[in-house]
Amino acid sequence: GAVVSQHPSWVICKSGTSVKIECRSLDFQATTMFWYRQFPKQSLMLMATSNEGSKATYEQGVEKDKFLINHASLTLSTLTVTSAHPEDSSFYICSARYGFPRDNEQFFGPGTRLTVL
Amino acid sequence: GEDVEQSLFLSVREGDSSVINCTYTDSSSTYLYWYKQEPGAGLQLLTYIFSNMDMKQDQRLTVLLNKKDKHLSLRIADTQTGDSAIYFCAEKGGTGRRALTFGSGTRLQVQP
Repeated sequence: GAVVSQHPSWVICKSGTSVKIECRSLDFQATTMFWYRQFPKQSLMLMATSNEGSKATYEQGVEKDKFLINHASLTLSTLTVTSAHPEDSSFYICSARYGFPRDNEQFFGPGTRLTVL
Repeated sequence: GEDVEQSLFLSVREGDSSVINCTYTDSSSTYLYWYKQEPGAGLQLLTYIFSNMDMKQDQRLTVLLNKKDKHLSLRIADTQTGDSAIYFCAEKGGTGRRALTFGSGTRLQVQP
């Protein structure tokens, strides 16, 4: 149990285009999903917290108009990188959290590597 | 803000024990976690410990927590080459913030 998938696993796009990344909890309902960004050989940086049916909460310094997050259901959250630029190239990882009383367990997807040319 | 620190690299021989250390600053941490990341992959939850516990053991993994010193360690017994990966320590604060704060990760290299 507790499997989180991401799609696509790898995407290359041209500068100026938008890219959508999907995060799904396959065998449980996730009331909260998180989006992280990881640069090479660095730790994970939280971008935003997404609760089903409400607006995402963005971390300081993360542009909400650039990184659009939609959490339409208890098993799906999407991150859209709008007008992507080379500096947006990174490894994007989502995680999903169980509801109470197992809300201390957080499971991660396999990540999506975005390369913007 | 909260800070979590780890050493960057650890090398051990196959069959030895590995100990990966982590320190954190948030005195209101409620849970502390260890995740494993293999190259190009996401994070795998290995284990976690509630802040009022001193130790937790799960097969080859032993987690020790010194809350007074805000020090967490992960011991891997009988380390295997398949244990080679990056290990992240993370903490969850008790101040209403629900996301995890991660350390920079420790790269464990297991030599045959």
